[in-house]
Amino acid sequence: NAGVTQTPKFQVLKTGQSMTLQCAQDMNHNSMYWYRQDPGMGLRLIYYSASEGTTDKGEVPNGYNVSRLNKREFSLRLESAAPSQTSVYFCASKENSNQPQHFGDGTRLSIL
Amino acid sequence: GQQLNQSPQSMFIQEGEDVSMNCTSSSIFNTWLWYKQDPGEGPVLLIALYKAGELTSNGRLTAQFGITRKDSFLNISASIPSDVGIYFCAGHDRGSEKLVFGKGTKLTVNP
Repeated sequence: NAGVTQTPKFQVLKTGQSMTLQCAQDMNHNSMYWYRQDPGMGLRLIYYSASEGTTDKGEVPNGYNVSRLNKREFSLRLESAAPSQTSVYFCASKENSNQPQHFGDGTRLSIL
Repeated sequence: GQQLNQSPQSMFIQEGEDVSMNCTSSSIFNTWLWYKQDPGEGPVLLIALYKAGELTSNGRLTAQFGITRKDSFLNISASIPSDVGIYFCAGHDRGSEKLVFGKGTKLTVNP
């Protein structure tokens, strides 16, 4: 069972470069999420998509854009990367509003 | 906004000891979740709680949904080295698509 798959696993960027983080789930889940995890800060929600065709801002959306390409895929884009966006990014999905979220293994992004 | 206070922030214990951690909220949740994160991996769901007062076990893990719906605890009995990791609580309010996460409890188990 693949579950939630994130690519790439690691990436190093220079300040100002752009990058798209990919996420796909094979569980036929309706909702998908992007989080960032920084030391001492826990998981902070960047954007989410409650269903195919909709996206909404989370707690820390500035500097990011998202696309819900279809039911399976939800991508996160950094148009002009900044050192403050160095973090570990997690994608998650869930079936419906009362179900738990399931997480991918993360993308470790460093911006120099 | 909603906040979760998770304690303790870290724990250092000997193998075989029991562990207890908890989360409290400033508001009511309809679902409480407990996740574990191993180094270099994503959080993995351990236990989901859906009813106030519910007590649920998963092997050596036991979690309870507080009767006030504003708190939850997780106990680990007879800890083993592979229990090391970061444990997160999360709360979910019915009608919201979002989870609120605690900041985690980092567990170290000395063999």
